[in-house]
Order: sequence, then C-alpha cells, then structure tokens
Amino acid sequence: GAGVSQSPRYKVTKRGQDVALRCDPISGHVSLYWYRQALGQGPEFLTYFNYEAQQDKSGLPNDRFSAERPEGSISTLTIQRTEQRDSAMYRCASSLESLTSYEQYFGPGTRLTVT
Amino acid sequence: AQSVTQLDSQVPVFEEAPVELRCNYSSSVSVYLFWYVQYPNQGLQLLLKYLSGSTLVESINGFEAEFNKSQTSFHLRKPSVHISDTAEYFCAVSEREDGTSYGKLTFGQGTILTVHP
Repeated sequence: GAGVSQSPRYKVTKRGQDVALRCDPISGHVSLYWYRQALGQGPEFLTYFNYEAQQDKSGLPNDRFSAERPEGSISTLTIQRTEQRDSAMYRCASSLESLTSYEQYFGPGTRLTVT
Repeated sequence: AQSVTQLDSQVPVFEEAPVELRCNYSSSVSVYLFWYVQYPNQGLQLLLKYLSGSTLVESINGFEAEFNKSQTSFHLRKPSVHISDTAEYFCAVSEREDGTSYGKLTFGQGTILTVHP
C-alpha cells in the first residue's frame, strides 16, 4: 500500500509569507507526528495527533506554528509570517496507535527554504 | 527530559570491514530505543528497535544493537558492511510508562556512514 506522503516536497518562500505543509498518513493509522530537522541535526519533535485530537504541541517553537488534523487523516502544518530560521526539513510520521505501536513510518519530508 | 548523543558525525569505512556507530542516551525514566536509517533521497526507515527482553536486537540486513542499561548505550554494529549500507543513521528514544510508549521520539544528531570500495 501507499506510504506516508508529504507535499510539497520543496517549498521556497519569501520571509513574511505564510506556508502550509501537508501530510497524508498511511490509511488507518491513528497517530500522526510532525518533526523538524535542521541541517546536520536529527529530527526534533513538534506536535502529535491521535485521530483529530492534538495531544501534544509542546515542540512547536512559537505561536507562528500551528497544526491541524480535522478529520483524523490528512494533517496540515502552517507557519505564519515565515522567518529565515524556519528553513529546515519538515517530516511527518504516522503509526497505527501511539501507546502500543512502536514503529513510526516517515514521509519523504518537505524541504522549506525561506529567503 | 531525555537526550540522545551520537558520538560520531561521520564514519568512513571500507567495504567488508566491521563498523560500530555509537549512541548514548540520558533519561530519568525507562525508554524504548530505536535506530532509523535514511538512504540518499529517501525518508527515515526503522532499522531495529529494543522494547524489552533480550538486550541484543538484530535487523534483517545484518545490523545488530545491544542495549546496555548500566552504560546507557545502544550502539549499532555490523561485522561486514556493504556499499549499499551508505546512509545516515539516527538513534532515537521514547519514554515508556507501564509498558507503553507515548510515541514521541527524541533523536540523536545522526551519523553518516560512508562505505568505500
């Protein structure tokens, strides 16, 4: 079956613009995670959903970042008024269910460049 | 809070040589441990995981890792590497409570393994 997909794969935007990054998880996966990966670093947790409920958003760096998953499937990570420091790879992962499923399946990522 | 340290950012090695990628973690609670691999132009894939039981875990492509609680380590090893093992490897942990995991992963900085012919 299809894996986790993310779109766009690459996004170049100007400072101050808003961007929306999309994640389509594996069908039937309950849990969805967003991570951010700076160059030369490992992925860093941003936020996490079970179904449509946002369970933890402690990793979102500031209030310019928000995420939603309104129907418990596709999720959108939105960054408002982008800044150059937001440039990174944004990764999405899904799993069957967080408490008993230990394997997260990652998408290819969206490379965001803010100029 | 938990943290993960991968001690080597780059490891060059010749084909058929053994390799060890080091990983140490810090946590105030018990953890689950993972190694993920990222091949060029691909997403992260789970390579192996330690949940409980035997402290030595193996992957289908010949890698193994051993959980050492006293040294808080989870080093990844392979006795003989191939060109196709060239990739970036990430160690990760998630906290466990009552036998379950929240699922949130904390990653190390990654180790780039380059296998030369």
